[in-house]
Amino acid sequence: ETGVTQTPRHLVMGMTNKKSLKCEQHLGHNAMYWYKQSAKKPLELMFVYSLEERVENNSVPSRFSPECPNSSHLFLHLHTLQPEDSALYLCASSQDSFTPSGNTIYFGEGSWLTVV
Amino acid sequence: GESVGLHLPTLSVQEGDNSIINCAYSNSASDYFIWYKQESGKGPQFIIDIRSNMDKRQGQRVTVLLNKTVKHLSLQIAATQPGDSAVYFCAENRGGGSQGNLIFGKGTKLSVKP
Repeated sequence: ETGVTQTPRHLVMGMTNKKSLKCEQHLGHNAMYWYKQSAKKPLELMFVYSLEERVENNSVPSRFSPECPNSSHLFLHLHTLQPEDSALYLCASSQDSFTPSGNTIYFGEGSWLTVV
Repeated sequence: GESVGLHLPTLSVQEGDNSIINCAYSNSASDYFIWYKQESGKGPQFIIDIRSNMDKRQGQRVTVLLNKTVKHLSLQIAATQPGDSAVYFCAENRGGGSQGNLIFGKGTKLSVKP
């Protein structure tokens, strides 16, 4: 149990569907992240939120839309995805959005997304 | 281009032996490095980190070594156990302090034979 909970754990959606991934952290952290993990690629940062404000968007297509209503919750809204978007989507949190030693990123278990 | 990578994609060791997982990085400005462990079906879990002003750091059964001269990072696991079987990622922070500068390697899969 890392203190970062993601739902659903598995999701299958069609290319015309709209779905959302949800993340909740119980660690009192100020920063939250979405990462994408594909089978043959390293972890890719998608979005960074610090104190509910988006501070980084790594050129992610607009079919992925994040939402951070408060510092404990993060959503990833999905719309008109492509089969190549199938991957493990990992939510993470850290005390803040900087990386001095000790500011560990804690990951959730991930949401496995399959686009058909 | 600049990247974080791993010398070997898979590593198989006998239970009880020591494991060494390697990582090469190419950005000399990187100032902070992290090792993560990812078990099957789970998210990455922090193992140990090291700052660029250090060349060695020890944790419980794990040691990270940093050689800035050749831009090489290694994770040593002592007395490897079956529960150590997982994929291990290194990550480097390319300066600037932001988590957005944290670049992950592809990972090395460690298999422990009983």
